[in-house]
Amino acid sequence: RKEVEQDPGPFNVPEGATVAFNCTYSNSASQSFFWYRQDCRKEPKLLMSVYSSGNEDGRFTAQLNRASQYISLLIRDSKLSDSATYLCVVISMDSNYQLIWGAGTKLIIKP
Amino acid sequence: EAGVAQSPRYKIIEKRQSVAFWCNPISGHATLYWYQQILGQGPKLLIQFQNNGVVDDSQLPKDRFSAERLKGVDSTLKIQPAKLEDSAVYLCASSPRGVGGDTQYFGPGTRLTVL
Repeated sequence: RKEVEQDPGPFNVPEGATVAFNCTYSNSASQSFFWYRQDCRKEPKLLMSVYSSGNEDGRFTAQLNRASQYISLLIRDSKLSDSATYLCVVISMDSNYQLIWGAGTKLIIKP
Repeated sequence: EAGVAQSPRYKIIEKRQSVAFWCNPISGHATLYWYQQILGQGPKLLIQFQNNGVVDDSQLPKDRFSAERLKGVDSTLKIQPAKLEDSAVYLCASSPRGVGGDTQYFGPGTRLTVL
């Protein structure tokens, strides 16, 4: 089992819709979580951190479910510019704080 | 603020040749990372430097890959000799402190094609 797993997609979503995807992690000692966004042929950029209490940034909401060991990303009122690959990142204290990256979920917003 | 710089942006070589990539992190950032990203996969950490010391190189194929960060600033990653499976984008990233939760800032990457 991979340490961090994501549905590769693609998720094809009409503009204006709400879309959500999850990222599961296997190490229960994981303590920090992030969502990065990567546009086609570009470098990853931090989208948002994921806090235990959940957090929201505009149309984006990230949540953590420790019991089931997954994080989620919800995008409301999706825009064409949201089309990208969304990578989750997990940091575990017992892996020397190494960042473990998921393979990403590809999102395509259609007009 | 200038971002992470990498060069070259693209490189095509034949297998068994050597290649080197260069990275200049954001000024003042203590930690520098080299990642390998194969098409359709997430970035895989190759090596992490804290200033000019190696923190983690557990996934670096040391028989062919080497990296250094002289003076704790710029870094070079070398592959010698290259194999077909080394075709990937090599990303350099830096972070201010390198502790858990520190944001990483990525350079544009070097796209390597090994023929």
